[in-house]
Parts: sequence; structure tokens; C-alpha cells
Amino acid sequence: DQQVKQNSPSLSVQEGRISILNCDYTNSMFDYFLWYKKYPAEGPTFLISISSIKDKNEDGRFTVFLNKSAKHLSLHIVPSQPGDSAVYFCAAGGMGWGKFQFGAGTQVVVTP
Amino acid sequence: GAVVSQHPSWVICKSGTSVKIECRSLDFQATTMFWYRQFPKQSLMLMATSNEGSKATYEQGVEKDKFLINHASLTLSTLTVTSAHPEDSSFYICSARRQMSYEQYFGPGTRLTVT
Repeated sequence: DQQVKQNSPSLSVQEGRISILNCDYTNSMFDYFLWYKKYPAEGPTFLISISSIKDKNEDGRFTVFLNKSAKHLSLHIVPSQPGDSAVYFCAAGGMGWGKFQFGAGTQVVVTP
Repeated sequence: GAVVSQHPSWVICKSGTSVKIECRSLDFQATTMFWYRQFPKQSLMLMATSNEGSKATYEQGVEKDKFLINHASLTLSTLTVTSAHPEDSSFYICSARRQMSYEQYFGPGTRLTVT
């Protein structure tokens, strides 16, 4: 049973524009969320996180928004750069558990 | 900081043999390490949670006798794939969690091919 879903397998965006990646979850017990970036044949790299007590967290070009009532989070990358081309995973979990469920990932391609 | 290494980065073995993969946190202590498996174009599947000094907790459907996990120190966890079969061929990734933190830092992964 997939508790974390990324329904867009791919996203193409022009350099300089905003990339918006979406993630939905079903388990209302999840209270901590993470976004990772992954290049082929490498391990994921942590990008940004958000706890359920917040609805927004910003770090440089990356902003994560959390809508608890909709069980939805999104990652905004602005402006998008060619080096942002990668697969992005969202992960959700409970602080009490310490382990996380991952979405299927969204392949982002930033074009010149 | 927060560097996690894995060794080997890739390995080819014959069916029926065992393979050990190491996961090390290089610059921090990790009380908890996680082992994931990733199939092509699919999500990371959590296999087990490894706590230093105690038995690993396996996710449903993961055979604990086939995937042996040892977390002997605060910086090292090992995954041994016993009696490997071609269907065990996959990309195995570990992650480590700092004490008092929820972010996981991932290793670069190990590509296992069983012939």
C-alpha cells in the first residue's frame, strides 16, 4: 500500500522558471517530511525538510509547502538551473518512528 | 559533514554465494541506519532499520534470514545477502541518521548483480 505518492513521473521546465513538484500522503500520523534529490547510480541527497507544525520552510532556492488538511506537500525550486535536473523524492514519516516512506520520484529536466 | 560511504560500489557474484555490503558514517555517529533497495525507475523500498547494538527491524515481506544486518558500532552497519539469486540483483542504498535528528544521509549505493 503506497502511502506516499508522487503522481507526476516527470517534469520539464525552462531554465530560470519555477519547478513545482507535488507529493500526496495518506497516513495522517505522518508528521515529518523530507525532499531528496537523486542522480543516477548515486544515493539521494537531502534537500529540505518540514515538520507538521509548520506550513512552509525555505532554504535558498528551495521552498517546501505543507497542507496538512489536504495531506499534500510541494517543493518549489526557483529559479530552476540545469544542475537541478535529477529525480526528486519526497519522504514522509512519524517523528516517533524515525523511519520514512518514499514516493516514486519525479524526474525533473531543466532545459536551456 | 554528514558523509556516508558504502563499500563496494558495485559487485558481481555467482548465484548461491553471499555478499556483504558495508555502510559507514564517516564524520558523525549514527545510532540508526536504514537499508533500502531500489529497482529501476522505482521508489526506494525500505528493507530494515538497524539500531546500534540491537537486532534489526525488518519491513514486512523482507526475509531476515536472507538479508542479514549487523550494526556493530555507531559508524558501521553491514548488509549480507545470503545465498544470492538473480532476483536479488538491485541497487542497495543505506542511510544513517544523526543522533537527535530526523534527516537521513544516504550512502552512494551498491549495485549488486547476481549471475
